[in-house]
Amino acid sequence: DQQVKQNSPSLSVQEGRISILNCDYTNSMFDYFLWYKKYPAEGPTFLISISSIKDKNEDGRFTVFLNKSAKHLSLHIVPSQPGDSAVYFCAAKYDRGSTLGRLYFGRGTQLTVWP
Amino acid sequence: GAGVSQSPSNKVTEKGKDVELRCDPISGHTALYWYRQSLGQGLEFLIYFQGNSAPDKSGLPSDRFSAERTGGSVSTLTIQRTQQEDSAVYLCASSRTGGTSYEQYFGPGTRLTVT
Repeated sequence: DQQVKQNSPSLSVQEGRISILNCDYTNSMFDYFLWYKKYPAEGPTFLISISSIKDKNEDGRFTVFLNKSAKHLSLHIVPSQPGDSAVYFCAAKYDRGSTLGRLYFGRGTQLTVWP
Repeated sequence: GAGVSQSPSNKVTEKGKDVELRCDPISGHTALYWYRQSLGQGLEFLIYFQGNSAPDKSGLPSDRFSAERTGGSVSTLTIQRTQQEDSAVYLCASSRTGGTSYEQYFGPGTRLTVT
């Protein structure tokens, strides 16, 4: 049962343009959302996060938007750079007893930024 | 400083053999997680250790899988009588604690191939 869904397995964007990666979730108990970036043969690295009490968090070229009513979040990268080419995972968590800290991941979106 | 390390980086084993995968978390991190990523799938939670508390084993797919964390530091994931469907990248992550706002740092993973 996939509680976090990334419906686009791939996205191709020209350098300098905006990349928008989308993520949907089904569990309304999630209260914290994260994006991870993964290069081949490496572990995922944390990129940006947002608490459910906010609707936007910005860090440099990266902005995450959260729409709780739609159970949807998105990651915007602007301007996109070739070094951003990687797999991006959306993840969510909630802290209730034994689930403390566990992350629920989507299947990832492969972003390719071409010159 | 040193990040999360995992060994071996690659493991090829015959069906029916047992394997042990090792994770060295970041020093001082009390929370440790195991995930796996099968081909074309997102990261699937396996098990979570937090300090001296009983581990959350709810993600282990079968009783052939077990994990230990000795001395609150190094962890070993053991798969007994391996099957071909166990082939995946096994990722370990650690965080300062299991609370919501603490980022999980991932190791590079162990790629397990069961022939």
